[in-house]
Amino acid sequence: SQKIEQNSEALNIQEGKTATLTCNYTNYSPAYLQWYRQDPGRGPVFLLLIRENEKEKRKERLKVTFDTTLKQSLFHITASQPADSATYLCARVGAGSYQLTFGKGTKLSVIP
Amino acid sequence: SQTIHQWPATLVQPVGSPLSLECTVEGTSNPNLYWYRQAAGRGLQLLFYSVGIGQISSEVPQNLSASRPQDRQFILSSKKLLLSDSGFYLCAWEQQGSYEQYFGPGTRLTVT
Repeated sequence: SQKIEQNSEALNIQEGKTATLTCNYTNYSPAYLQWYRQDPGRGPVFLLLIRENEKEKRKERLKVTFDTTLKQSLFHITASQPADSATYLCARVGAGSYQLTFGKGTKLSVIP
Repeated sequence: SQTIHQWPATLVQPVGSPLSLECTVEGTSNPNLYWYRQAAGRGLQLLFYSVGIGQISSEVPQNLSASRPQDRQFILSSKKLLLSDSGFYLCAWEQQGSYEQYFGPGTRLTVT
């Protein structure tokens, strides 16, 4: 089965620093990797999607990379703020598939 | 703009009772629709998806069922709830081919 793992359950970071979250996958490379933000008691919110043939994608303070050699995606938040504190979920999907496979998430806490 | 609604927000039901959760989407047509469950400490688990009216695919065997009576309505049901059905149920929609999923606010179900 296609697995996706977010190695860190929790990450604490000082305000203003860059937060880096890691997502690793097994077996064949997914066609797409996605990152979502989830606040307590709320549904996930879509942030970024990166395709297999893309190395990097940016959106404002967010940056996602996709390394098919390492089978890894990194998610960066630059100039982190306390409002960025949330759980971040990584998800994979294969081309033509309807199934997103989610990691368990990394809880990010940005300390003022 | 598109919006997704789920109700009820919270539900407490006894074991053996029936269940009906409803999800509706506004502002789009012919979306793919999804039901997920998120149990405490676990990742999002895909339960059902639908690519059109009356078309339902199940990802895991369980005592739950889903129906799509209208283009933008998705219903999750059970005839007899089990304790293990407790969890946070999330509906999501996706513009076909986009691979970006947008989640509703969720329903917190507690089976007692």
